[in-house]
Amino acid sequence: QKEVEQDPGPLSVPEGAIVSLNCTYSNSAFQYFMWYRQYSRKGPELLMYTYSSGNKEDGRFTAQVDKSSKYISLFIRDSQPSDSATYLCAMSEVANAGKSTFGDGTTLTVKP
Amino acid sequence: GAVVSQHPSRVICKSGTSVKIECRSLDFQATTMFWYRQFPKQSLMLMATSNEGSKATYEQGVEKDKFLINHASLTLSTLTVTSAHPEDSSFYICSARGLDEETQYFGPGTRLLVL
Repeated sequence: QKEVEQDPGPLSVPEGAIVSLNCTYSNSAFQYFMWYRQYSRKGPELLMYTYSSGNKEDGRFTAQVDKSSKYISLFIRDSQPSDSATYLCAMSEVANAGKSTFGDGTTLTVKP
Repeated sequence: GAVVSQHPSRVICKSGTSVKIECRSLDFQATTMFWYRQFPKQSLMLMATSNEGSKATYEQGVEKDKFLINHASLTLSTLTVTSAHPEDSSFYICSARGLDEETQYFGPGTRLLVL
């Protein structure tokens, strides 16, 4: 069993929809949680960075962490075709970039 | 924001040759860079941690003599795939750690195809 599980999708939604992306994990020591967006044939781009449980909002993006359930989510409001990409969750025990464990990514397509 | 570049963006080579990939932090100094490998529809797998002025730290299962890493300056790390074989074909991505040490900025990746 993988430490981080992420539904690979693909996920297809109409423009303007609310998108929910999720990851579950098994390591209770994870404290730092990240969401990355990766366009095809490009490197990942950091979207959200959260420490411990709670919510964090940045524009149309909201990250939620529920450590009791070992479950994290990324919500995208008013989705746009430009949001079409693969979204990777990542998490780590310590605040040390490079020690993150990544999910396999969810491929999202937002149709105009 | 922090920018990391990689060169080349894609390379095709014959089996048995060596390929060098460069990773540069363009607007900040990075004492630590990371090298990842990503297969299609799979996640990033950390290969090694590259520290400026010292030897790289390789993850378990990664051959250090196969994947040579050099981090000679605060803005440049190189990965050399020696005696490449078709199974080395993959997407190689580098990242550089930010000053806060908590975040990393990824390069655009290098697609390697070994024939």
